[in-house]
Amino acid sequence: DAGITQSPRHKVTETGTPVTLRCHQTENHRYMYWYRQDPGHGLRLIHYSYGVKDTDKGEVSDGYSVSRSKTEDFLLTLESATSSQTSVYFCAIRGTLGEQFFGPGTRLTVL
Amino acid sequence: RKEVEQDPGPFNVPEGATVAFNCTYSNSASQSFFWYRQDCRKEPKLLMSVYSSGNEDGRFTAQLNRASQYISLLIRDSKLSDSATYLCVPMDSSYKLIFGSGTRLLVRP
Repeated sequence: DAGITQSPRHKVTETGTPVTLRCHQTENHRYMYWYRQDPGHGLRLIHYSYGVKDTDKGEVSDGYSVSRSKTEDFLLTLESATSSQTSVYFCAIRGTLGEQFFGPGTRLTVL
Repeated sequence: RKEVEQDPGPFNVPEGATVAFNCTYSNSASQSFFWYRQDCRKEPKLLMSVYSSGNEDGRFTAQLNRASQYISLLIRDSKLSDSATYLCVPMDSSYKLIFGSGTRLLVRP
């Protein structure tokens, strides 16, 4: 158990509303990641963080922003949710050998 | 060419069978490799790392062929609980993991 929690676990929202997903870790890992997973696709990297206030874009970052004001929390924000952002969102931390450990996921539906 | 290619399956096998999954990757600079399993509607979980010499963990054996850019996973004596999707995951030179869509395994009684 890598001590990663995500909240909320499920959310239904409407197009155009802002949404923030939270990832919380308890083991002081430096690197944290946000992915989305859709049918027919592998996990795709949205954004990642390599320290407090240090973030960078992944392959599918359009429409998403992130913030990391303290080591334990990594927030993913959809400024104005669209139906194409309906997905399952996973947060992960990096282990010592480069492997990643994932949180339980957030299932987001944008109507 | 996709960065990671796996047969999507499903592989439908009886309990006790031996099953092998193959994976090819396109980035020759990849240095580390992992197998993850993912149960339906759950997060991926690390199954094992893959070392150059090949490695074994109980009923699971992973092999790496760098020259052919090919990774395999062998599961012996399949259990019902092995039913899941298996993800072959190379790590690129910037420590990013590259995920394919995985191979689905169904183990039947």
